Amino acid sequence: QKEVEQDPGPLSVPEGAIVSLNCTYSNSAFQYFMWYRQYSRKGPELLMYTYSSGNKEDGRFTAQVDKSSKYISLFIRDSQPSDSATYLCAMSGVSGGSNYKLTFGKGTLLTVNP
Amino acid sequence: SQTIHQWPATLVQPVGSPLSLECTVEGTSNPNLYWYRQAAGRGLQLLFYSVGIGQISSEVPQNLSASRPQDRQFILSSKKLLLSDSGFYLCAWEEGVETQYFGPGTRLLVL
Repeated sequence: QKEVEQDPGPLSVPEGAIVSLNCTYSNSAFQYFMWYRQYSRKGPELLMYTYSSGNKEDGRFTAQVDKSSKYISLFIRDSQPSDSATYLCAMSGVSGGSNYKLTFGKGTLLTVNP
Repeated sequence: SQTIHQWPATLVQPVGSPLSLECTVEGTSNPNLYWYRQAAGRGLQLLFYSVGIGQISSEVPQNLSASRPQDRQFILSSKKLLLSDSGFYLCAWEEGVETQYFGPGTRLLVL
């Protein structure tokens, strides 16, 4: 079982739709959870950061973490064509004196059609 | 604020030629630095990381090497490129154990 699993898509939605992107993981030591957005031919940019379980909202973006299920989600409301990009989940943690380096999902390619 | 630079942005090299990619970070001291390769459909592959000057850890055996001659400079090198070295190379700096911030990347095509 891979440490982080992410559906690669591609995912195509109409403008204005609600988008749900998800990742599952196996390492219970992960406690820091991130979503990166990567436009074509650009470096990934940090979009959302969440510590432990719970929700975090930033404008049209909401990140959710469910540590009991080892499942994280990113929701995009009122999606726009400018949201078209690859979205990568990432996670890391510290447990028992060990640092668990940032581990990435493979990314989901999202296209929002006008 | 912190800024990370990579150059060149694009590189086309023949098989067997040497490689040198450079990454520099501004606005932070003693950062942890990382080199990743991103191939189409394969996600981010961690190649090297460094916690300080002269300290390099390799994650994947390959014909690439890395060096950190200065606190905020990280270099990726190869003596002889292979076709399989083609890809998008990303440098990142790390804040604590929590988050990494990426540079703009270098697209390498080996022919």
